[in-house]
Amino acid sequence: EDQVTQSPEALRLQEGESSSLNCSYTVSGLRGLFWYRQDPGKGPEFLFTLYSAGEEKEKERLKATLTKKESFLHITAPKPEDSATYLCAVQASSVGAQKLVFGQGTRLTINP
Amino acid sequence: GAGVSQTPSNKVTEKGKYVELRCDPISGHTALYWYRQSLGQGPEFLIYFQGTGAADDSGLPNDRFFAVRPEGSVSTLKIQRTERGDSAVYLCASSEGPNTEAFFGQGTRLTVV
Repeated sequence: EDQVTQSPEALRLQEGESSSLNCSYTVSGLRGLFWYRQDPGKGPEFLFTLYSAGEEKEKERLKATLTKKESFLHITAPKPEDSATYLCAVQASSVGAQKLVFGQGTRLTINP
Repeated sequence: GAGVSQTPSNKVTEKGKYVELRCDPISGHTALYWYRQSLGQGPEFLIYFQGTGAADDSGLPNDRFFAVRPEGSVSTLKIQRTERGDSAVYLCASSEGPNTEAFFGQGTRLTVV
């Protein structure tokens, strides 16, 4: 069964304090790994898709990386507006598989 | 519209009642998904449509849950004989097609009292 585990569950940082969020996964065959940001009361907002080990993608203060077993979301010099829950999800490569399997999320708080 | 639209934003219903939740996907998106999210958890897959047909309904928890997409655009998630355990945020997402990134609506918060 495909599974995604995110750590830590919650993380508090000071503004400017860089850190990383972890997403460990097991999947029968990986088609893609997705990162989303979710603000309270809102739906998830798409950030990145990673397809193969070694791939990296960046957007502003965020950089996502992928290995064969896990993905990291690196946050450099975060600002209070980066506070949100970050969700990781995998999509299997088996025929007909389209669903995303999500982790429980990491709740990130950036204090000014 | 510019994004995925879900109505209503909030729905409170009594145990045993029937509810319908509506999703308007991004124009031109052929793939549509329903997920359910409980407090403090990630979204959980319910059903996937490609066009008008349900290509994967393996996430529907039981036969009280049903979804349709008759014209390949708007979708309705229908829940019969609601139970308190059905209380959650129901999220809809759409994508251009298979194997492309999905964009989510803001969700419908369903509360069964």
